[in-house]
Amino acid sequence: NAGVMQNPRHLVRRRGQEARLRCSPMKGHSHVYWYRQLPEEGLKFMVYLQKENIIDESGMPKERFSAEFPKEGPSILRIQQVVRGDSAAYFCASSPAGLPQGTGELFFGEGSRLTVL
Amino acid sequence: SQQGEEDPQALSIQEGENATMNCSYKTSINNLQWYRQNSGRGLVHLILIRSNEREKHSGRLRVTLDTSKKSSSLLITASRAADTASYFCATRNQAGTALIFGKGTTLSVSS
Repeated sequence: NAGVMQNPRHLVRRRGQEARLRCSPMKGHSHVYWYRQLPEEGLKFMVYLQKENIIDESGMPKERFSAEFPKEGPSILRIQQVVRGDSAAYFCASSPAGLPQGTGELFFGEGSRLTVL
Repeated sequence: SQQGEEDPQALSIQEGENATMNCSYKTSINNLQWYRQNSGRGLVHLILIRSNEREKHSGRLRVTLDTSKKSSSLLITASRAADTASYFCATRNQAGTALIFGKGTTLSVSS
């Protein structure tokens, strides 16, 4: 059973370009969470999605960042007009049910490391 | 905002010694979880303790929870070099929709 798959693992962008990060959840999981991790820091929650719905985007920056989880295909975290401060590791996690309904455990991917030059 | 805060930020021990990490949180919880992150990798779930439990064991891991003090501790006994990693506690956010992580404790175990 494949785990959470993220790609690309490493992405380099110049300031002003767009970054697209993809996440395929574990088989049977329909809940996806995106987190950002700055060097030497913990994970900051960004957004929680179910298929075709954004459930909680309270951690998303108001501008330039968007996320989707279409009916078919992976979840996408999109960062427009990247700036140097966007350089970070972005982690995706999945769960088979929402936290209140399930065991509460999240399954993480290996992350996508974005470097903005 | 951070819900859980780990202490200490960094811990260095020798193989065979025990490692204790602490976590404090702010609001009431249903459960508290601990995760491990090896350098450059994703997080891996270690153990979950429910609010009505005081102690839980899993292999060399022992977790305690004191809801009156809003704190938890993770004890790793007989540590190994392979235990070198960052350890995070996590609780649900107020909306109950996602996990909120602390900044973690970086454990270094030398042989």
